[in-house]
Amino acid sequence: GNSVTQMEGPVTLSEEAFLTINCTYTATGYPSLFWYVQYPGEGLQLLLKATKADDKGSNKGFEATYRKETTSFHLEKGSVQVSDSAVYFCALSERETSGSRLTFGEGTQLTVNP
Amino acid sequence: DGGITQSPKYLFRKEGQNVTLSCEQNLNHDAMYWYRQDPGQGLRLIYYSQIVNDFQKGDIAEGYSVSREKKESFPLTVTSAQKNPTAFYLCASSFGTGLTEAFFGQGTRLTVV
Repeated sequence: GNSVTQMEGPVTLSEEAFLTINCTYTATGYPSLFWYVQYPGEGLQLLLKATKADDKGSNKGFEATYRKETTSFHLEKGSVQVSDSAVYFCALSERETSGSRLTFGEGTQLTVNP
Repeated sequence: DGGITQSPKYLFRKEGQNVTLSCEQNLNHDAMYWYRQDPGQGLRLIYYSQIVNDFQKGDIAEGYSVSREKKESFPLTVTSAQKNPTAFYLCASSFGTGLTEAFFGQGTRLTVV
C-alpha cells in the first residue's frame, strides 16, 4: 500500500534559519503530493501541493519539489519565523478503485525561537 | 462563507456510551473523510465517502460507524466497541474523486472517562 515517511522531529530552529523537512513516499502509480500545516488545537491547512513529477509547489516562502526519481517531496524555507512554529504533515493522494484518499506521514513538530 | 464545520469542539462521554460527532460542509464537495489523530502521531483514516449513500472503511474502522444520507453531512459514531476512543477527530472534504487537496474542519477532541 501507499505510505509516507517524514523525518523525525521535533525540529527546533532560531529565527531566520534555513528549514528542511524530509519526506519520502511509496506509491504504486502517480500520486499528487501535499504539505499540510497544523497549529495547536486546530485542523490542517493546505500549505502547498504538486501534482506531477518536477512540479514545484510554493506558498508563504515554503517550497517543495516533486522528485519522482528519489520519491521525495522535501519541504524547505529559506528563513523561518516564530509564526512558522507548527506541525507539518506530508501527504499523498492516489486514485484507488474506491476513489482517492489521502495518506499522511507522522508529522514533524517545528519550533522556531526568537 | 464556505467551509467545513465540526461540532462540538470538545466532547466528554462516559465509557460504554455511543457518541456521534457532527461534520457539515457547504463547499459542494463530493468526497468526505474522517481521520483520527493521537498525540504525537499522524492521521489515520477511519472512513471515507465519495458519494451520497456510499462509504468505505479506512485503516482503523473497527468500533466506528458512519452514514452519508446527504451530500453536505457525514456524521461519525464512536461506539462502545471502540477500545480506546479518546482522541482528536478530524473531518475533511474534497472535490470528486480526483487527486485534489482536502479541506479540514477544526476538529473535535473526544475524551472518554
